[in-house]
Amino acid sequence: DAKTTQPPSMDCAEGRAANLPCNHSTISGNEYVYWYRQIHSQGPQYIIHGLKNNETNEMASLIITEDRKSSTLILPHATLRDTAVYYCIVRVDWNAGNMLTFGGGTRLMVKP
Amino acid sequence: DTAVSQTPKYLVTQMGNDKSIKCEQNLGHDTMYWYKQDSKKFLKIMFSYNNKELIINETVPNRFSPKSPDKAHLNLHINSLELGDSAVYFCASSQLGGANYGYTFGSGTRLTVV
Repeated sequence: DAKTTQPPSMDCAEGRAANLPCNHSTISGNEYVYWYRQIHSQGPQYIIHGLKNNETNEMASLIITEDRKSSTLILPHATLRDTAVYYCIVRVDWNAGNMLTFGGGTRLMVKP
Repeated sequence: DTAVSQTPKYLVTQMGNDKSIKCEQNLGHDTMYWYKQDSKKFLKIMFSYNNKELIINETVPNRFSPKSPDKAHLNLHINSLELGDSAVYFCASSQLGGANYGYTFGSGTRLTVV
């Protein structure tokens, strides 16, 4: 799987949009971009994923650049409960031997 | 109706003991995993089972032995516990080829070896 690079930490004001960047310059054509988050003392939680097109769900939006070398996770109106470590992961899907590999992630602190 | 449940949530034990952690998922997924999160907070894959068969076994001491009696359960047995085994262990499940929603994780088992 391609490696990803994320800033180690970010701050965001409550109610504002949180934009979390991720670089994955060595991504290959069949690799998806996944985002997970881990709130303190809990298991990682799936947020969103995409291949080429931008994606949106009830939790977040995922913007993938046209060359697919980077992406941004957007939490449109961050709340204190969004304080967590956010992981950007790229991997080939539908492969029994290709497990989810976590890097260091970005620690997002949402402040009042 | 927890999707992936682990027991116990906390486990404190002495060095040299043998202990087990249980994991059950009610999502109908065919693949289950064990991850270890150490004090530095890095999440590392340990094992992966697909339909009760081991498909991934990362560099883990053979004191760790996973057992999958059926595809809804993946237990982790640890022999001769060492101080370095202290960590949070997460179980997860996924469905290969199914709805593309990634992995579902349990809430973790915090193991402390004293």
